[in-house]
Amino acid sequence: DVKVTQSSRYLVKRTGEKVFLECVQDMDHENMFWYRQDPGLGLRLIYFSYDVKMKEKGDIPEGYSVSREKKERFSLILESASTNQTSMYLCASSQDRQAFFGQGTRLTVV
Amino acid sequence: AQTVTQSQPEMSVQEAETVTLSCTYDTSESNYYLFWYKQPPSRQMILVIRQEAYKQQNATENRFSVNFQKAAKSFSLKISDSQLGDTAMYFCAFMKQWGNKLVFGAGTILRVKS
Repeated sequence: DVKVTQSSRYLVKRTGEKVFLECVQDMDHENMFWYRQDPGLGLRLIYFSYDVKMKEKGDIPEGYSVSREKKERFSLILESASTNQTSMYLCASSQDRQAFFGQGTRLTVV
Repeated sequence: AQTVTQSQPEMSVQEAETVTLSCTYDTSESNYYLFWYKQPPSRQMILVIRQEAYKQQNATENRFSVNFQKAAKSFSLKISDSQLGDTAMYFCAFMKQWGNKLVFGAGTILRVKS
């Protein structure tokens, strides 16, 4: 079974902190994604990567950056967390038009 | 840009009955993929069913089936013999033929009542 693992299920951070959300997949997929899930808005794409050291902006990249130094790991970085970044964050990897998701990180910025 | 619309924020159904969740989408692509994902309270996204746009036959997976109307850009999900374990958020999603990005709708919360 494909496994996508997110480092934390719940996270509480203070405004202005630098926050790292980590995601690891074990199936050698080239494509990895970070989504943000908010009620009434569904999942919105923040950033994605189709290869090591490659990244592309999604629909809502402002306030976020990403890092992909190894194929299996895709990190989402909040340079200076703000309260409007309180949300659920979902990581996914995909190949052959099939996506697999992690269990999500519920981030609260106070 | 592609958009996906789910017009039913919440629905409920009695156990053992049938329910249909609606989804419409907008695209200028001729070939693409459509998906229904289920997200139970555990938050794990689970693929329910997938439809390739070039296939006229509607996809089915056990109690789950779709009504794919390409001209109308409609992709509804029918759940037969609803079970308590079907209670979840359901997302409709779109993917281009040669892409890997999923575009999601806002979701429909389905509650199955005993």
